[in-house]
Amino acid sequence: GAVVSQHPSRVICKSGTSVKIECRSLDFQATTMFWYRQFPKQSLMLMATSNEGSKATYEQGVEKDKFLINHASLTLSTLTVTSAHPEDSSFYICSASPGSAGEQYFGPGTRLTVT
Amino acid sequence: QKEVEQDPGPLSVPEGAIVSLNCTYSNSAFQYFMWYRQYSRKGPELLMYTYSSGNKEDGRFTAQVDKSSKYISLFIRDSQPSDSATYLCAMRDDYKLSFGAGTTVTVRA
Repeated sequence: GAVVSQHPSRVICKSGTSVKIECRSLDFQATTMFWYRQFPKQSLMLMATSNEGSKATYEQGVEKDKFLINHASLTLSTLTVTSAHPEDSSFYICSASPGSAGEQYFGPGTRLTVT
Repeated sequence: QKEVEQDPGPLSVPEGAIVSLNCTYSNSAFQYFMWYRQYSRKGPELLMYTYSSGNKEDGRFTAQVDKSSKYISLFIRDSQPSDSATYLCAMRDDYKLSFGAGTTVTVRA
């Protein structure tokens, strides 16, 4: 149980284009979903927290107009990187929480490369 | 000072040895404590989840929490080469997780 999927697993895009990443909880309903960013050999950095049907809460320093988050249902959240630039290249990981005791289950991650 | 301190290692042990990992923290509001395992280029996998001081055992894994000392540990018994990964401690207040830096562990065959 507690499986979270992400799609795509890897994406390469050109500078200036937008990329959408999907995060799905496959076998539970996620009241809250989280988006993280991880640089090589570093720990996870929380970007934003989203609850189904409401606006996401962004961490300090994260541009909400650049990283658009939509949590349309209890099993799906999307992260759109708008007007991507090479510095946005990173490993993006989502997690989902069933909301009972706050444990988070992570997706496999999406590696974004902006050329 | 970081909220969660974890020695990044690397830590190298022979197969069959006990792996000992630990984290310290400064935020008294942390109520829930987790250990995640992350293989290279993969998402973290939840290994252990505890919310009270004391020990919790699951197979070869034992998690310890000492809230009075603000110290948590993870022990891996009879370590295997497949245990080679980065281990992240994580702690939660409300709904936000704070992660340690992760300790890279290599188990030598």
